[in-house]
Amino acid sequence: QKEVEQDPGPLSVPEGAIVSLNCTYSNSAFQYFMWYRQYSRKGPELLMYTYSSGNKEDGRFTAQVDKSSKYISLFIRDSQPSDSATYLCAMRALGGSQGNLIFGKGTKLSVKP
Amino acid sequence: DVKVTQSSRYLVKRTGEKVFLECVQDMDHENMFWYRQDPGLGLRLIYFSYDVKMKEKGDIPEGYSVSREKKERFSLILESASTNQTSMYLCASSYLAGTTGETQYFGPGTRLLVL
Repeated sequence: QKEVEQDPGPLSVPEGAIVSLNCTYSNSAFQYFMWYRQYSRKGPELLMYTYSSGNKEDGRFTAQVDKSSKYISLFIRDSQPSDSATYLCAMRALGGSQGNLIFGKGTKLSVKP
Repeated sequence: DVKVTQSSRYLVKRTGEKVFLECVQDMDHENMFWYRQDPGLGLRLIYFSYDVKMKEKGDIPEGYSVSREKKERFSLILESASTNQTSMYLCASSYLAGTTGETQYFGPGTRLLVL
């Protein structure tokens, strides 16, 4: 089983829809969870960062972590065409190797006007 | 704002050439990373460095080497480029992890084509 699983999509939604992006993971030691957004031909940019379980909201974006189910989600409300991008989840354990940030393969999202 | 810059956006090289990819960050980050990104394979860690002159192998170091002579600069070297090294190369940097973890900040990427 891979450490982090993410549905690659592509996911296509109409403008204004609520989008749900998800990752599952197998390592119960993961404590830090991130979502990155990557526009075509650009580097990933950090979108949301959460520690341990719970929800975090930032504007139209909500990140949710359920450690009991080893499942994280990113919700996008009132989606816009400018949200069209690939979304990567990433996570790491407390301590351990400095380079040990594990990424999902990314979900490609397209928001149609 | 964290800024990570990469020396080239696009590069075309021939098989067997020595290739240098440069990355510079301006936030005094201790950690620096090199990844490659390929369709269907996601981001794969090549090498990382947590201090000047320090380096550690990532998941796919074969065919690559790195150099970190200054804190702000991390170079990726392809000693003898091969066609299977055609890829998008991404540099990232972060603070040294303490008890709160760290997030990585990425550069714009270098798209390398090896002919």
